[in-house]
Amino acid sequence: GNSVTQMEGPVTLSEEAFLTINCTYTATGYPSLFWYVQYPGEGLQLLLKATKADDKGSNKGFEATYRKETTSFHLEKGSVQVSDSAVYFCALSQYGNKLVFGAGTILRVKS
Amino acid sequence: DTAVSQTPKYLVTQMGNDKSIKCEQNLGHDTMYWYKQDSKKFLKIMFSYNNKELIINETVPNRFSPKSPDKAHLNLHINSLELGDSAVYFCASSQPGTSRTEAFFGQGTRLTVV
Repeated sequence: GNSVTQMEGPVTLSEEAFLTINCTYTATGYPSLFWYVQYPGEGLQLLLKATKADDKGSNKGFEATYRKETTSFHLEKGSVQVSDSAVYFCALSQYGNKLVFGAGTILRVKS
Repeated sequence: DTAVSQTPKYLVTQMGNDKSIKCEQNLGHDTMYWYKQDSKKFLKIMFSYNNKELIINETVPNRFSPKSPDKAHLNLHINSLELGDSAVYFCASSQPGTSRTEAFFGQGTRLTVV
């Protein structure tokens, strides 16, 4: 079946540091890939997405590129802020159906 | 306007009770879902409905019964609550088969069974 593996956290960074959260997936065919973010006490918000190979999703300074050859969708940001502290989920879906999530990565940014 | 809204936000109840969580979406989506988030933040699909019809039931105990009176609503009823049911439950909706395949989530219902 489909699955998503993302790096374990928590990840603790200082403000303005570079962020990478690794995500790899297993799926048949060509799924759509997503990063969702969950701020403390809130629901999940879509951060960015990519629907086909080599697509780059970007939002709020975050980027991720759909790499079919390495089945990866790593999340990056050049300079994190304290307000980026949250839980980040990598996910996939096929044909717009149910999402399969990774385990989530807690990001803590210190000032 | 809230796209996906669920109530209540917090629910504390005793073991053995029956409770319901309501969900409504105003996005015009055909598909709605319930996800469960455990204490380690892991998210897993429970149910999926498409236009009031059950599509996915992921080995959820029979004590959980979703009900979709129309395609804008998907409620979750839980009988005989157990301690292990304590979790955050998220409702979501999406419109498969379009360019916007992402799901939109409600704020979650934190269920605590004591």
